[in-house]
Amino acid sequence: DTAVSQTPKYLVTQMGNDKSIKCEQNLGHDTMYWYKQDSKKFLKIMFSYNNKELIINETVPNRFSPKSPDKAHLNLHINSLELGDSAVYFCASSRQDLSYNEQFFGPGTRLTVL
Amino acid sequence: TQLLEQSPQFLSIQEGENLTVYCNSSSVFSSLQWYRQEPGEGPVLLVTVVTGGEVKKLKRLTFQFGDARKDSSLHITAAQPGDTGLYLCAGHPINTNAGKSTFGDGTTLTVKP
Repeated sequence: DTAVSQTPKYLVTQMGNDKSIKCEQNLGHDTMYWYKQDSKKFLKIMFSYNNKELIINETVPNRFSPKSPDKAHLNLHINSLELGDSAVYFCASSRQDLSYNEQFFGPGTRLTVL
Repeated sequence: TQLLEQSPQFLSIQEGENLTVYCNSSSVFSSLQWYRQEPGEGPVLLVTVVTGGEVKKLKRLTFQFGDARKDSSLHITAAQPGDTGLYLCAGHPINTNAGKSTFGDGTTLTVKP
């Protein structure tokens, strides 16, 4: 039973295409996140949702649009993909104990834009 | 400017050696987490420290939170090849948006057999 799952694991696509990454958690957590990890392994938060509501939206191009149909799912849609979007994208979830913020991560989606 | 700075950035040691990784900031954190990430996987939570001066042990790993809650260290005793990975500290600064953690830039540890 995977706690936080993401699909697909690998995504290779051409510049200009639109793609989506799906994330699901079965931990009963209220908060979900999307992170981008670059080639230098730096993990940067992109978005955070709490009970389907957006609470954190970092400086991310508006080509990236998260959608949370329910609190167990947080999907990421990317329009007009660019070379610089190539990275590993991680979904994570946590309880609503926000001062602790212990996060559980998915296995990541490696996106390669050609 | 990186809010959480980790050092060293890279560390390569022989099996059986001891090591310490540092996570430093000028900000005060309500809590701080340590994660380990293996290649091709997501980060996995190791520990959370909350109280200034707190020390937590996880087998051969010892975690300490600074008295002022601005820094933390991870000490590994008698490192093994299975300890190889990227170690990340993450903290929730006291004056930031609820639920937002900041991650350090990571320490890549390689333990050679």
